[in-house]
Amino acid sequence: DTEVTQTPKHLVMGMTNKKSLKCEQHMGHRAMYWYKQKAKKPPELMFVYSYEKLSINESVPSRFSPECPNSSLLNLHLHALQPEDSALYLCASSQEAALGYGYTFGSGTRLTVV
Amino acid sequence: SQKIEQNSEALNIQEGKTATLTCNYTNYSPAYLQWYRQDPGRGPVFLLLIRENEKEKRKERLKVTFDTTLKQSLFHITASQPADSATYLCALDPLGRTGKLIFGQGTTLQVKP
Repeated sequence: DTEVTQTPKHLVMGMTNKKSLKCEQHMGHRAMYWYKQKAKKPPELMFVYSYEKLSINESVPSRFSPECPNSSLLNLHLHALQPEDSALYLCASSQEAALGYGYTFGSGTRLTVV
Repeated sequence: SQKIEQNSEALNIQEGKTATLTCNYTNYSPAYLQWYRQDPGRGPVFLLLIRENEKEKRKERLKVTFDTTLKQSLFHITASQPADSATYLCALDPLGRTGKLIFGQGTTLQVKP
């Protein structure tokens, strides 16, 4: 299995809702990442997990809460989001976080906040 | 300030020609630089990685060069095909080896038949 699987593919949520994005990989990768991408912009790093521990938080608002239950799974919990949080949320994984391995990205979750 | 710049927003070339994309960075000392391809509505796909001690890397029709003195990487696609049309992103870890991979704004390549 050489894929990163993200669910759901599309999500519409209200500003008072709580939802979660899920990401799964079975490549034995020990680093996992969340990125946010707005239209016609590059992906922006949000969080880095290395060996299931949060190693980088790019000053992301607390309404985004990451979780890494095990080495294969990564969640992003969403609460009280704003319309400007609407974007494509990408999960990625790599063999190690700091050794320059290429990242494998999922196809993303298209999030719309109404 | 620190930044990664890729040449022009769009590059249009004729099928069969070589496409050359540029990635320039300032105020970083990356240990490596990566190139990705992204199609609309999809996640980026990893293409090549080149390390600071490497001058050139090849993979099939792709070639990457890395000049740490000029702070520049060039990405070449030889014998380009319409299927190569996509956005190409360069990326680097600005602090060397932290796992913090950041991306340039991308160059959209259009290969016309």
